[in-house]
Amino acid sequence: GENVEQHPSTLSVQEGDSAVIKCTYSDSASNYFPWYKQELGKRPQLIIDIRSNVGEKKDQRIAVTLNKTAKHFSLHITETQPEDSAVYFCAASSGYNKLIFGAGTRLAVHP
Amino acid sequence: DAGVTQSPTHLIKTRGQHVTLRCSPISGHKSVSWYQQVLGQGPQFIFQYYEKEERGRGNFPDRFSARQFPNYSSELNVNALLLGDSALYLCASSLVGGREQGEQFFGPGTRLTVL
Repeated sequence: GENVEQHPSTLSVQEGDSAVIKCTYSDSASNYFPWYKQELGKRPQLIIDIRSNVGEKKDQRIAVTLNKTAKHFSLHITETQPEDSAVYFCAASSGYNKLIFGAGTRLAVHP
Repeated sequence: DAGVTQSPTHLIKTRGQHVTLRCSPISGHKSVSWYQQVLGQGPQFIFQYYEKEERGRGNFPDRFSARQFPNYSSELNVNALLLGDSALYLCASSLVGGREQGEQFFGPGTRLTVL
């Protein structure tokens, strides 16, 4: 069935370092890959997304890359700040607003 | 401009009872999707409704049902509650809902506790 694997489950970095989170999807029909940030007790918030016709997308300190052949996509956060600390979820969709989420990565940025 | 709203925010029920959760999408959005998020896990897709029709269903038992109203708001119903139904139930709305995938915006969720 459809599955998204996400690694690592926890990530601890020093302020100013970069953080990378990787995901692998199983459904070759997937064409939309969003990333959500969820702070404790709050709703998931979309931080960046990429569609299958694009290999890379960047928005200030955040970038996402997609390798369709390998069915991999990754989130890159540069110059991390304490306010980046949260749980990050990757997801994949083949349409109809059905998002298959990864298990999440708890990112801790230490001052 | 209001985002996605959900009610109630918290709910406590006992096993075997029934529950109804409500969601109002962002104005102009015609698609509503429901997700279940168990503590420490990623959200799991339950249903998607677009233009008042069910367009997608996840791997959940028939105890779970939903509907969408003419104003595009939606209800999620769960019958014969089990302890394992305890979770945060999230609603997400989107402008589009067909084969084309649109950005989904989540509501704050309803925290359901089954005792």
